[in-house]
Amino acid sequence: EAQLVESGGGLVQPGGSLRLSCAASGFTFNNYAMSWVRQAPGKGLEWVSSITGSGDSKDYADSVKGRFTISRDNTKNTLNLQMDSLRAEDTALYYCAKDLYSGNYGDSFDIWGQGTLLTVSS
Amino acid sequence: DIQMTQSPSTLSASVGDRVTITCRASQSINRWLAWYQQKPGKAPKLLLYAASDLQSGVPSRFSGSGSGTEFTLTISSLQPDDFATYYCQQYEGYPSSTFGQGTRLDI
Repeated sequence: EAQLVESGGGLVQPGGSLRLSCAASGFTFNNYAMSWVRQAPGKGLEWVSSITGSGDSKDYADSVKGRFTISRDNTKNTLNLQMDSLRAEDTALYYCAKDLYSGNYGDSFDIWGQGTLLTVSS
Repeated sequence: DIQMTQSPSTLSASVGDRVTITCRASQSINRWLAWYQQKPGKAPKLLLYAASDLQSGVPSRFSGSGSGTEFTLTISSLQPDDFATYYCQQYEGYPSSTFGQGTRLDI
């Protein structure tokens, strides 16, 4: 069974940094593009970033471009999100999500983790 | 950027009702639209993709239609487990995607 488990969330001061990770299992990780989606408390879903299966292509929402960096380690079946220059508006539950189809880039998401909470506050 | 607008924001219904949620895109997205269900404290669950394809394991009372800029999610006969928040997502804007603001379905 495919599964994603996020970790790394916590409380960070404005301007600080944090690295989120997502451990994948139950599917051939390097065949699938992966994404981060966030949800601020009581709000809707916001796409944050995506990366191809090989890691060659990466894309970001304008709200995080230049501050967040997505990466993956296909030897460890792990997806990462390095978050720098954090702002209060980055406070959210961060989900990692798997593309529905192998080889696609830009797809619906069929597997989601349980989320990890980032709080940016002084 | 492609904007997605769902209506209504909140919908009250009863078990057995047929309900429809609408999602409109600011520009044509062909059929690159998905629908998700989210319950409190849980991750979203994929219901439909490519506007009308039912994800494996999802009950057939869920259906989707539309293309271009207007789409609908229909639940043919509401069950108690269906009371949740529903989101549409466009993924035509390769690879970035946009979600609608959500529709809360209340008893």
